[in-house]
Amino acid sequence: EAGVAQSPRYKIIEKRQSVAFWCNPISGHATLYWYQQILGQGPKLLIQFQNNGVVDDSQLPKDRFSAERLKGVDSTLKIQPAKLEDSAVYLCASSEGGIAEAFFGQGTRLTVV
Amino acid sequence: EDQVTQSPEALRLQEGESSSLNCSYTVSGLRGLFWYRQDPGKGPEFLFTLYSAGEEKEKERLKATLTKKESFLHITAPKPEDSATYLCAVRKSGSARQLTFGSGTQLTVLP
Repeated sequence: EAGVAQSPRYKIIEKRQSVAFWCNPISGHATLYWYQQILGQGPKLLIQFQNNGVVDDSQLPKDRFSAERLKGVDSTLKIQPAKLEDSAVYLCASSEGGIAEAFFGQGTRLTVV
Repeated sequence: EDQVTQSPEALRLQEGESSSLNCSYTVSGLRGLFWYRQDPGKGPEFLFTLYSAGEEKEKERLKATLTKKESFLHITAPKPEDSATYLCAVRKSGSARQLTFGSGTQLTVLP
């Protein structure tokens, strides 16, 4: 079974630029998560989709971050404009839904300079 | 407010020296506690799910247990390849059933 796919693996941008990350979840998984993980910390939930609807985006900085999930499958996370403090690993995860475990992709390491 | 606290932050063990990692939580309506392993530069890898107090799960040298307030990850006779950061996460009740992570325990097993 193919896992969660993310791209790119690494990205370096200057502050105030924009960036987008892509995620393809495990086939059939209804729930998709985007997490931000700062070095030395645990993952922090940014946004959670159930199919193509948002069920939680309470910790998403909506003035600069946006996310969408097209047709309940792939998802993109965008940052515009980026700040230095956005430097982190952005993890995508998916689960079957309900109370099932989540499976993670390899993540995208973003460095904002 | 929901909280997940892991201790210790870091742990160094000699190969074969057994120990335990702790995950304490305060969450309204627990709907699952999850343990993950994370290697440097990789995403978290799922290990165990525990749903009710008293439940135990085992996998090779790892054993996870759950009480009403905390979970333990017991590592028996660890090997250097067990070195990683171990994360716990809780899923709470409600329509979204968010998955909230602790900050992890960085385990180093020395040969």
